[in-house]
Amino acid sequence: GENVEQHPSTLSVQEGDSAVIKCTYSDSASNYFPWYKQELGKRPQLIIDIRSNVGEKKDQRIAVTLNKTAKHFSLHITETQPEDSAVYFCAASKKTGANNLFFGTGTRLTVIP
Amino acid sequence: NAGVTQTPKFRILKIGQSMTLQCAQDMNHNYMYWYRQDPGMGLKLIYYSVGAGITDKGEVPNGYNVSRSTTEDFPLRLELAAPSQTSVYFCASSHEGEDSPLHFGNGTRLTVT
Repeated sequence: GENVEQHPSTLSVQEGDSAVIKCTYSDSASNYFPWYKQELGKRPQLIIDIRSNVGEKKDQRIAVTLNKTAKHFSLHITETQPEDSAVYFCAASKKTGANNLFFGTGTRLTVIP
Repeated sequence: NAGVTQTPKFRILKIGQSMTLQCAQDMNHNYMYWYRQDPGMGLKLIYYSVGAGITDKGEVPNGYNVSRSTTEDFPLRLELAAPSQTSVYFCASSHEGEDSPLHFGNGTRLTVT
Protein backbone atom coordinates (compact mmCIF):
# COMPACT_ATOMS: atom_id res chain seq x y z
CA GLY A 1 0.00 0.00 0.00
CA GLU A 2 0.87 3.67 0.06
CA ASN A 3 3.33 5.01 2.62
CA VAL A 4 3.24 8.71 3.43
CA GLU A 5 6.03 10.27 5.48
CA GLN A 6 5.72 13.72 6.98
CA HIS A 7 8.34 16.09 8.44
CA PRO A 8 8.90 17.73 10.80
CA SER A 9 6.81 16.23 13.59
CA THR A 10 6.85 19.54 15.48
CA LEU A 11 7.43 23.07 14.26
CA SER A 12 7.54 26.33 16.18
CA VAL A 13 7.58 29.68 14.40
CA GLN A 14 7.23 33.28 15.42
CA GLU A 15 4.03 35.01 14.48
CA GLY A 16 4.38 36.50 11.01
CA ASP A 17 7.02 34.01 9.87
CA SER A 18 6.44 31.28 7.32
CA ALA A 19 6.00 27.58 8.03
CA VAL A 20 6.76 24.71 5.67
CA ILE A 21 5.70 21.09 6.14
CA LYS A 22 6.93 18.39 3.78
CA CYS A 23 5.56 15.00 2.81
CA THR A 24 6.76 12.17 0.61
CA TYR A 25 4.74 9.29 -0.77
CA SER A 26 5.70 5.91 -2.16
CA ASP A 27 3.02 4.96 -4.68
CA SER A 28 3.54 6.70 -8.02
CA ALA A 29 -0.13 6.01 -8.84
CA SER A 30 -1.29 8.41 -6.11
CA ASN A 31 -2.86 11.45 -7.68
CA TYR A 32 -4.73 13.38 -5.00
CA PHE A 33 -3.01 15.11 -2.08
CA PRO A 34 -5.12 16.90 0.56
CA TRP A 35 -3.99 18.67 3.71
CA TYR A 36 -6.04 18.56 6.89
CA LYS A 37 -5.84 20.79 9.96
CA GLN A 38 -6.80 19.41 13.35
CA GLU A 39 -7.13 21.74 16.29
CA LEU A 40 -6.80 20.26 19.77
CA GLY A 41 -9.70 17.93 20.52
CA LYS A 42 -11.42 18.74 17.24
CA ARG A 43 -12.10 16.91 13.99
CA PRO A 44 -9.69 17.10 11.03
CA GLN A 45 -10.77 19.65 8.46
CA LEU A 46 -9.63 20.02 4.87
CA ILE A 47 -7.69 23.23 4.27
CA ILE A 48 -6.31 22.73 0.77
CA ASP A 49 -5.77 19.97 -1.75
CA ILE A 50 -3.91 19.43 -5.00
CA ARG A 51 -4.32 17.02 -7.86
CA SER A 52 -1.52 15.42 -9.81
CA ASN A 53 -2.08 17.49 -12.93
CA VAL A 54 -1.25 20.68 -11.01
CA GLY A 55 2.15 21.69 -9.63
CA GLU A 56 1.06 24.41 -7.23
CA LYS A 57 -2.11 25.75 -5.68
CA LYS A 58 -2.62 28.77 -3.47
CA ASP A 59 -5.44 29.92 -1.23
CA GLN A 60 -4.72 33.20 0.56
CA ARG A 61 -1.89 32.48 3.05
CA ILE A 62 -1.77 28.77 2.29
CA ALA A 63 -0.10 27.11 -0.68
CA VAL A 64 0.71 23.56 -1.64
CA THR A 65 3.34 22.40 -4.12
CA LEU A 66 3.66 19.00 -5.73
CA ASN A 67 6.66 17.35 -7.36
CA LYS A 68 5.42 14.12 -8.94
CA THR A 69 8.84 13.10 -10.19
CA ALA A 70 10.33 13.24 -6.70
CA LYS A 71 7.04 12.09 -5.09
CA HIS A 72 6.87 14.86 -2.57
CA PHE A 73 4.52 17.68 -1.75
CA SER A 74 4.67 20.54 0.70
CA LEU A 75 2.40 22.90 2.62
CA HIS A 76 3.44 26.51 2.94
CA ILE A 77 1.81 28.91 5.37
CA THR A 78 2.86 32.54 5.15
CA GLU A 79 2.35 35.34 7.69
CA THR A 80 1.50 32.82 10.37
CA GLN A 81 -1.00 33.72 13.09
CA PRO A 82 -1.63 32.15 16.52
CA GLU A 83 -4.84 30.58 15.19
CA ASP A 84 -2.72 28.59 12.74
CA SER A 85 -1.46 26.55 15.70
CA ALA A 86 -2.74 23.00 15.19
CA VAL A 87 -1.70 19.58 13.93
CA TYR A 88 -1.47 19.38 10.15
CA PHE A 89 -1.80 16.10 8.26
CA CYS A 90 -0.89 15.41 4.68
CA ALA A 91 -2.49 12.54 2.80
CA ALA A 92 -2.38 10.77 -0.53
CA SER A 93 -4.83 8.66 -2.49
CA LYS A 94 -5.25 7.17 -5.93
CA LYS A 95 -8.14 6.26 -8.15
CA THR A 96 -9.81 3.31 -6.47
CA GLY A 97 -13.47 4.29 -6.63
CA ALA A 98 -13.40 5.63 -3.10
CA ASN A 99 -11.35 8.29 -1.40
CA ASN A 100 -9.03 5.96 0.49
CA LEU A 101 -6.59 8.38 1.99
CA PHE A 102 -3.25 7.37 3.47
CA PHE A 103 -2.25 9.93 6.08
CA GLY A 104 1.11 11.17 7.27
CA THR A 105 1.85 11.15 11.00
CA GLY A 106 1.15 14.84 11.44
CA THR A 107 3.05 18.04 12.25
CA ARG A 108 2.27 19.99 15.39
CA LEU A 109 2.65 23.65 14.46
CA THR A 110 2.96 26.22 17.22
CA VAL A 111 2.86 29.90 16.32
CA ILE A 112 4.44 31.99 19.06
CA PRO A 113 2.84 35.44 19.48
CA ASN B 1 -27.65 20.12 8.39
CA ALA B 2 -25.73 18.37 11.18
CA GLY B 3 -23.03 16.86 8.95
CA VAL B 4 -21.45 13.72 10.42
CA THR B 5 -22.64 12.77 13.90
CA GLN B 6 -20.82 10.25 16.07
CA THR B 7 -21.92 8.74 19.34
CA PRO B 8 -20.78 8.25 22.02
CA LYS B 9 -18.07 10.91 22.51
CA PHE B 10 -16.26 8.90 25.17
CA ARG B 11 -16.37 5.28 26.28
CA ILE B 12 -14.41 3.04 28.61
CA LEU B 13 -14.57 -0.70 27.96
CA LYS B 14 -13.18 -3.66 29.80
CA ILE B 15 -11.15 -6.22 27.88
CA GLY B 16 -13.45 -8.64 26.09
CA GLN B 17 -16.50 -6.40 26.09
CA SER B 18 -18.21 -5.40 22.89
CA MET B 19 -19.72 -2.15 21.69
CA THR B 20 -20.96 -0.33 18.62
CA LEU B 21 -19.78 3.12 17.62
CA GLN B 22 -22.55 4.95 15.83
CA CYS B 23 -22.11 7.22 12.82
CA ALA B 24 -24.77 9.06 10.86
CA GLN B 25 -24.59 11.66 8.10
CA ASP B 26 -27.29 13.85 6.59
CA MET B 27 -25.45 15.06 3.50
CA ASN B 28 -26.63 12.22 1.25
CA HIS B 29 -23.05 11.03 0.80
CA ASN B 30 -22.65 7.56 -0.64
CA TYR B 31 -19.12 7.08 0.68
CA MET B 32 -18.46 6.58 4.37
CA TYR B 33 -15.30 5.68 6.28
CA TRP B 34 -14.01 4.71 9.70
CA TYR B 35 -10.55 5.84 10.79
CA ARG B 36 -8.66 5.38 14.01
CA GLN B 37 -6.12 7.89 15.31
CA ASP B 38 -3.46 6.79 17.76
CA PRO B 39 -1.34 9.35 19.68
CA GLY B 40 1.35 10.87 17.48
CA MET B 41 0.13 8.97 14.46
CA GLY B 42 -1.91 9.77 11.42
CA LEU B 43 -5.33 8.37 10.74
CA LYS B 44 -5.55 4.75 9.67
CA LEU B 45 -8.49 3.50 7.60
CA ILE B 46 -10.40 0.65 9.24
CA TYR B 47 -13.34 0.08 6.87
CA TYR B 48 -15.13 2.01 4.20
CA SER B 49 -18.36 1.80 2.24
CA VAL B 50 -19.27 3.12 -1.20
CA GLY B 51 -23.00 2.66 -0.72
CA ALA B 52 -25.71 0.87 1.18
CA GLY B 53 -24.98 -2.84 1.35
CA ILE B 54 -21.35 -2.46 0.24
CA THR B 55 -18.40 -2.45 2.64
CA ASP B 56 -14.70 -3.13 2.28
CA LYS B 57 -11.62 -3.42 4.46
CA GLY B 58 -9.09 -0.66 4.88
CA GLU B 59 -5.56 -0.79 6.30
CA VAL B 60 -6.40 -2.01 9.82
CA PRO B 61 -9.69 -3.98 9.82
CA ASN B 62 -8.80 -6.74 12.31
CA GLY B 63 -11.01 -6.74 15.39
CA TYR B 64 -13.75 -4.65 13.80
CA ASN B 65 -16.89 -5.17 11.77
CA VAL B 66 -19.17 -2.79 9.92
CA SER B 67 -22.53 -2.78 8.22
CA ARG B 68 -24.24 -0.30 5.90
CA SER B 69 -27.96 -0.94 5.75
CA THR B 70 -28.84 2.68 4.88
CA THR B 71 -27.10 5.57 3.14
CA GLU B 72 -27.14 7.58 6.37
CA ASP B 73 -25.72 5.14 8.92
CA PHE B 74 -22.39 3.33 9.18
CA PRO B 75 -21.89 1.69 12.59
CA LEU B 76 -18.56 0.20 13.66
CA ARG B 77 -18.66 -2.90 15.86
CA LEU B 78 -15.96 -4.06 18.27
CA GLU B 79 -16.69 -7.64 19.30
CA LEU B 80 -13.92 -8.46 21.80
CA ALA B 81 -12.30 -5.25 22.95
CA ALA B 82 -8.53 -5.32 23.41
CA PRO B 83 -6.17 -2.67 24.85
CA SER B 84 -4.71 -2.21 21.35
CA GLN B 85 -8.07 -0.77 20.31
CA THR B 86 -7.66 2.17 22.66
CA SER B 87 -7.79 5.08 20.23
CA VAL B 88 -9.83 7.96 18.90
CA TYR B 89 -12.22 6.83 16.19
CA PHE B 90 -13.36 9.15 13.43
CA CYS B 91 -16.17 8.52 11.02
CA ALA B 92 -16.16 10.44 7.74
CA SER B 93 -18.24 10.73 4.61
CA SER B 94 -17.80 12.10 1.10
CA HIS B 95 -19.41 12.36 -2.27
CA GLU B 96 -18.38 9.99 -5.04
CA GLY B 97 -15.00 10.63 -6.56
CA GLU B 98 -11.53 9.84 -5.39
CA ASP B 99 -10.80 13.50 -4.71
CA SER B 100 -13.97 14.53 -2.93
CA PRO B 101 -13.24 16.10 0.47
CA LEU B 102 -13.85 14.00 3.55
CA HIS B 103 -16.21 15.41 6.15
CA PHE B 104 -15.27 14.09 9.60
CA GLY B 105 -17.35 13.61 12.70
CA ASN B 106 -16.16 14.84 16.09
CA GLY B 107 -14.69 11.49 17.05
CA THR B 108 -15.19 8.88 19.76
CA ARG B 109 -12.47 8.47 22.37
CA LEU B 110 -12.35 4.80 23.39
CA THR B 111 -10.29 3.38 26.23
CA VAL B 112 -10.00 -0.37 26.77
CA THR B 113 -8.67 -1.43 30.16
